[in-house]
Amino acid sequence: SQELEQSPQSLIVQEGKNLTINCTSSKTLYGLYWYKQKYGEGLIFLMMLQKGGEEKSHEKITAKLDEKKQQSSLHITASQPSHAGIYLCGADPLIISSGSARQLTFGSGTQLTVLP
Amino acid sequence: NAGVTQTPKFRVLKTGQSMTLLCAQDMNHEYMYWYRQDPGMGLRLIHYSVGEGTTAKGEVPDGYNVSRLKKQNFLLGLESAAPSQTSVYFCASRNARRVAGPSGGANVLTFGAGSRLTVL
Repeated sequence: SQELEQSPQSLIVQEGKNLTINCTSSKTLYGLYWYKQKYGEGLIFLMMLQKGGEEKSHEKITAKLDEKKQQSSLHITASQPSHAGIYLCGADPLIISSGSARQLTFGSGTQLTVLP
Repeated sequence: NAGVTQTPKFRVLKTGQSMTLLCAQDMNHEYMYWYRQDPGMGLRLIHYSVGEGTTAKGEVPDGYNVSRLKKQNFLLGLESAAPSQTSVYFCASRNARRVAGPSGGANVLTFGAGSRLTVL
């Protein structure tokens, strides 16, 4: 089955600092998705990476997928309190098993706190 | 706004009671999913459906049943609630077909806002 390790589990940073969250898959992926969740709310889609070596940015958040398509990182530059929340990575498997519905496997999440 | 709607948002049950969570999507997605989220464990798949009238078990299906009588709705039922089912439940949906390239956004899994269930 797909294993997805996410680190760190929690992160506390001072406003203005940079930070990185990592996500590692045990298998090659078709796609890697990053979501953000604020307490008590649903998951908001941030970015999707599909190509080896791909990098995408949105405002101050940059996500990268390695060439082997097994590792991804999410980097936040000059963090702000609005960046606080839980970040989850989701893996879309390369090989779809018979009968599956292409469900994503998720990492355990990274709780980010940004101190003003 | 288009998306995934879950009801109710909050519910408190006593052990042994039953209830149904409703998920509705208006994006004409074929695939629908029910996940539960517990601290430190990320999202775990309970059941899923690849189309109207079909359902299948996910990673943690015990104690739950589902039905998909209409394409846009996916119901999650608890016949006899247990404290271990205290959790936040998320419904999600997506297209069936993989799309590569610039239209890859069609692969995105869209989530509802969640339903927080407490079983006493």
